Amino acid sequence: DTGVSQDPRHKITKRGQNVTFRCDPISEHNRLYWYRQTLGQGPEFLTYFQNEAQLEKSRLLSDRFSAERPKGSFSTLEIQRTEQGDSAMYLCASSFQGLENTDTQYFGPGTRLTVL
Amino acid sequence: DAKTTQPNSMESNEEEPVHLPCNHSTISGTDYIHWYRQLPSQGPEYVIHGLTSNVNNRMASLAIAEDRKSSTLILHRATLRDAAVYYCILRDVAGGTSYGKLTFGQGTILTVHP
Repeated sequence: DTGVSQDPRHKITKRGQNVTFRCDPISEHNRLYWYRQTLGQGPEFLTYFQNEAQLEKSRLLSDRFSAERPKGSFSTLEIQRTEQGDSAMYLCASSFQGLENTDTQYFGPGTRLTVL
Repeated sequence: DAKTTQPNSMESNEEEPVHLPCNHSTISGTDYIHWYRQLPSQGPEYVIHGLTSNVNNRMASLAIAEDRKSSTLILHRATLRDAAVYYCILRDVAGGTSYGKLTFGQGTILTVHP
């Protein structure tokens, strides 16, 4: 399977702990996106990278959140000092952005975070 | 950002066509209309997109109104595997605020009855 993979699939943590999620995009995809989805809602954009450059960050991404994409390949999303409100599904997507600005995003299965 | 309006839910019977509407009365000339769907316990998946003309692919058809203020996603023969949340999303390819990210609304929950 050469789709987008995310690790771990599930994470349970205690309030105040730090967590890190990993996303491996489809090979050759130059764009990588992070979204967050809470129960009953559509996904909300968090941030995205073009290669290794972080091009946009949502206001939802507080100072406790940080994302990296070293070398323009996999990406990590870290949440420091987790709060119960951080409980959600964290989705990663990748795409190839060419000359036409209509890239199709391919989503991974998500990491479900539960903060106790 | 240009917004879309979709019904909260729709129902269909298996093997019948399904027409999922989307209103986007404030669409701009550079907004593409994208549809994604999300099956239970999975990440969203791309369905189809278009700008002005109707589009067909192996999954669905997209019918776009002449004034572009509405569109309809057509599933020609619904199967149980088509039960999902369907999202209609506008993406501005001219570098507007919606460029890059997908802005999901609530979507339409499609239930398919056997």
